[in-house]
Amino acid sequence: GQSLEQPSEVTAVEGAIVQINCTYQTSGFYGLSWYQQHDGGAPTFLSYNALDGLEETGRFSSFLSRSDSYGYLLLQELQMKDSASYFCAVSRSGGYQKVTFGTGTKLQVIP
Amino acid sequence: EAGVTQFPSHSVIEKGQTVTLRCDPISGHDNLYWYRRVMGKEIKFLLHFVKESKQDESGMPNNRFLAERTGGTYSTLKVQPAELEDSGVYFCASSQGRASSSGANVLTFGAGSRLTVL
Repeated sequence: GQSLEQPSEVTAVEGAIVQINCTYQTSGFYGLSWYQQHDGGAPTFLSYNALDGLEETGRFSSFLSRSDSYGYLLLQELQMKDSASYFCAVSRSGGYQKVTFGTGTKLQVIP
Repeated sequence: EAGVTQFPSHSVIEKGQTVTLRCDPISGHDNLYWYRRVMGKEIKFLLHFVKESKQDESGMPNNRFLAERTGGTYSTLKVQPAELEDSGVYFCASSQGRASSSGANVLTFGAGSRLTVL
């Protein structure tokens, strides 16, 4: 089987930095993605890591360690609009991929 | 380009009735996924189409759920008969290409179809 674990809730102050961790167990691991979902909205793609290391996209960075089955999403210079749920997702190999999501982390940014 | 379109946006039906949800993926996207999110919980995988073929339907809860993808274009998800526990938001997502392509790892989601079973 497979599993992904994330903290259920995180609270952080506007302007600060927050890290959302994700650990996974799966066979045929191919890569780790992160998605953002605002209440009532659709999940939107943030980043993808297939190789170990840090990927930076503006205020958001994502890290992957394949040997530790671990990744994180780092949000810098937090803004109120960053309040949302954040999901990690694993892609499994085998030609065409299956993408499976974690339980999500609800981030609340406070003034 | 047009995004992923889902219809209806909201459906309210009674237990025992039938509902059909439709998803139009981005043109040219081979991969089409159905997911369900219940009561703010996880985004649960239901199934994955590659073109018109079901690649993986291991997440379909039972035989009351039937998904099709006509000619590798739009997809429908039928629930018949609906039960109370089927309530939730059903998301469709699409992506392009095989595993080796970067595009396959970027899913574009539709706005979702909220199903309420009374």
